[in-house]
Amino acid sequence: DTGVSQNPRHKITKRGQNVTFRCDPISEHNRLYWYRQTLGQGPEFLTYFQNEAQLEKSRLLSDRFSAERPKGSFSTLEIQRTEQGDSAMYLCASATERQYRTEAFFGQGTRLTVV
Amino acid sequence: KQEVTQIPAALSVPEGENLVLNCSFTDSAIYNLQWFRQDPGKGLTSLLLIQSSQREQTSGRLNASLDKSSGRSTLYIAASQPGDSATYLCAVKSSGSARQLTFGSGTQLTVLP
Repeated sequence: DTGVSQNPRHKITKRGQNVTFRCDPISEHNRLYWYRQTLGQGPEFLTYFQNEAQLEKSRLLSDRFSAERPKGSFSTLEIQRTEQGDSAMYLCASATERQYRTEAFFGQGTRLTVV
Repeated sequence: KQEVTQIPAALSVPEGENLVLNCSFTDSAIYNLQWFRQDPGKGLTSLLLIQSSQREQTSGRLNASLDKSSGRSTLYIAASQPGDSATYLCAVKSSGSARQLTFGSGTQLTVLP
């Protein structure tokens, strides 16, 4: 197992274009999270999946953002009509509960630049 | 709403020094607290996880403590090395229905050779 994998690592797009990011969690992890991180700040929660069900969404997740996790495996995060304010690092994390411990493991992130 | 604060925002120390990073949180009803390391432009690496029932965890030169009642955690790094230079993030998982981690803004550590 190689940990949480995110693709692409970097994405440059023009304002108004749509982008999609992919996250492959650790294989036995049923919980998957998306976070967004801007320069000098800690990550901010966007959304959470347990298996294929999207159980929680942040107010940060505007209607231009959509996330899916078909079959409870990999997840995609799509941003439609990108804006310059969407430029950030998008981080994916996965977790599972073992002996009442839930430790989150993060991927390397996808850095989005909207020009 | 849970808020997490990390002080200082930046710290520079000479190699070999022992140091302490601080984290405070506003809501003591937490499930666990996790310390992460982040290198520039990279993702987060989990360092230590402390369950709410625990008071400390140790891994190598790192020791993290948790005082839930006062809403504080510290990360102690012994005998610092230049390779420890990174941003250290504290994150709290609150009890209740919420599942996400709430992060502080991090402490940027530079260990000078």
